[in-house]
Amino acid sequence: DTAVSQTPKYLVTQMGNDKSIKCEQNLGHDTMYWYKQDSKKFLKIMFSYNNKELIINETVPNRFSPKSPDKAHLNLHINSLELGDSAVYFCASSLEASSYNEQFFGPGTRLTVL
Amino acid sequence: GDSVTQMEGPVTLSEEAFLTINCTYTATGYPSLFWYVQYPGEGLQLLLKATKADDKGSNKGFEATYRKETTSFHLEKGSVQVSDSAVYFCALAQGGSEKLVFGKGTKLTVNP
Repeated sequence: DTAVSQTPKYLVTQMGNDKSIKCEQNLGHDTMYWYKQDSKKFLKIMFSYNNKELIINETVPNRFSPKSPDKAHLNLHINSLELGDSAVYFCASSLEASSYNEQFFGPGTRLTVL
Repeated sequence: GDSVTQMEGPVTLSEEAFLTINCTYTATGYPSLFWYVQYPGEGLQLLLKATKADDKGSNKGFEATYRKETTSFHLEKGSVQVSDSAVYFCALAQGGSEKLVFGKGTKLTVNP
């Protein structure tokens, strides 16, 4: 009965490769997010989608492309991976796109770029 | 832009000690304020929140009061347990926006 799930949990890859991280929520929420947590635990929003439409797009390189096939899924594709992309990536969801709704986070995907 | 500043960690306490983790913010208007907790190997969970000045959020023995005059939202607990060991994040969101701005997190370790 996992609320927000991510796959894979760990991802180790070489520089220059392309990889995807998948996220699914079974809460019936309309809004989903991607966050990046760096090695110093600093957490920053990357994207948010509401009903499959992009509503927040922070200053993130074009190599990162979110894709939402339906409102229960928000996948993150990363092209031409760089060393600096190594981080933990968290997916989250909320009922609506509002601070009055709690965001539920997935367990994270630890990406290591060698 | 909006920002959140938390006290530097790590913080190490003995069980039953009193906990304070300081959080101050810079924002225009009247943001909502949050504390999230991240237990080892897990995602973040909402611990408590306050949406207007003088509101007190509380949960699991933790409390924080929204102080507009000092732009602060300090987290307190009267008696910590080993199970409270985690990283605590203070965050804000403007005017109902879903965009959370996080502080850098404070790691708490509670020893038996």
